[in-house]
Amino acid sequence: GAGVSQSPSNKVTEKGKDVELRCDPISGHTALYWYRQRLGQGLEFLIYFQGNSAPDKSGLPSDRFSAERTGESVSTLTIQRTQQEDSAVYLCASSLGDSRRGEQYFGPGTRLTVT
Amino acid sequence: GENVEQHPSTLSVQEGDSAVIKCTYSDSASNYFPWYKQELGKGPQLIIDIRSNVGEKKDQRIAVTLNKTAKHFSLHITETQPEDSAVYFCAASKGGYSTLTFGKGTMLLVSP
Repeated sequence: GAGVSQSPSNKVTEKGKDVELRCDPISGHTALYWYRQRLGQGLEFLIYFQGNSAPDKSGLPSDRFSAERTGESVSTLTIQRTQQEDSAVYLCASSLGDSRRGEQYFGPGTRLTVT
Repeated sequence: GENVEQHPSTLSVQEGDSAVIKCTYSDSASNYFPWYKQELGKGPQLIIDIRSNVGEKKDQRIAVTLNKTAKHFSLHITETQPEDSAVYFCAASKGGYSTLTFGKGTMLLVSP
């Protein structure tokens, strides 16, 4: 079946502009996660949605970052007033709504470059 | 919070050799340990995982071992092939809906 999809695959923006990144999770997956991966680094957790519960925003690096999710489907990560240090690959993952499991499946990512 | 250390950061082997990547974690409550393979320009792909109720799991040429007492787990790849070349990440979580804490990755290069 279809995996996690993300758009755009690449985004180049000027410093100070806002950007929106989109994630479509696997159908039926109730949990959705956003991670950031800086060049040559591991994955850094940003935010997590589970069903109708309040999102876990503990990983967001500043108030310029926010995310929304419509029900159990699409999510949008917004970065306002982008800075050069925001340049990274932004990865989305989803997982089944089973409290015993933990497998997360990742999308291909959006490569953000802030000039 | 959880802290995951991974080593080595780079690993070069000859085709046919074995490769071992090791990770340690800090939170004794962690009980789910996946391994991801990331090829250039792609998202991480789950290749194998292990839960705290078992000490070893194998899937063809790859295996993972877990030592809960020492809080470390390892990925073993046997009979390596050039297509195994990629960056490998270990991770740990408390399972269920918990977020994953990742190691910094190991770049594996398999030379023909």
